[in-house]
Amino acid sequence: NAGVTQTPKFRVLKTGQSMTLLCAQDMNHEYMYWYRQDPGMGLRLIHYSVGEGTTAKGEVPDGYNVSRLKKQNFLLGLESAAPSQTSVYFCASSDPLLAPGSTDTQYFGPGTRLTVL
Amino acid sequence: AQTVTQSQPEMSVQEAETVTLSCTYDTSENNYYLFWYKQPPSRQMILVIRQEAYKQQNATENRFSVNFQKAAKSFSLKISDSQLGDTAMYFCAFMKHVGNQFYFGTGTSLTVIP
Repeated sequence: NAGVTQTPKFRVLKTGQSMTLLCAQDMNHEYMYWYRQDPGMGLRLIHYSVGEGTTAKGEVPDGYNVSRLKKQNFLLGLESAAPSQTSVYFCASSDPLLAPGSTDTQYFGPGTRLTVL
Repeated sequence: AQTVTQSQPEMSVQEAETVTLSCTYDTSENNYYLFWYKQPPSRQMILVIRQEAYKQQNATENRFSVNFQKAAKSFSLKISDSQLGDTAMYFCAFMKHVGNQFYFGTGTSLTVIP
């Protein structure tokens, strides 16, 4: 049981390049989330998904796209990277609130450090 | 909108002593959840403790306990018998009853001094 994994762990991009961050979870969770963490600002929600094939915008969605083609995977895409997207990105997953057996808790991956030059 | 405030950017405590981290939040919701997460240098987010707003009893997990004051919208974390491994960034988080969206504070960096 690996929990939540993220690929890659580190990446350096040039302005305008594109890339995709992969998040995978093996806990059969319905909900998945992408956050970014910046110094002095805590974690901010970018996009989230409440099930396979669904996505929704969070607090800071601009410049990012996501897809949830499979229940266990949640992809975060940057089509044209900008220096303002330099950050640490965290993926998380959870069961829906009050679902049978749910701990009502998010499980986080180890993070991806992205630098955009 | 929900906001979570942690007013202590940095704190330190002597090993084996007790320390309290503060958190306040603002919401118009009546049903919600509150969490404390720990982020060590490895950057992984680790759940420390959670509290359901409808429960009056304060949550405890071994050396970790909370003081939940719903009327004051306050949710502080007490760490007893501090250990070197407690050194980390601690985040307070709020989750609405519907939607499973989390709102995080800006964090408190705790250093346990040998």
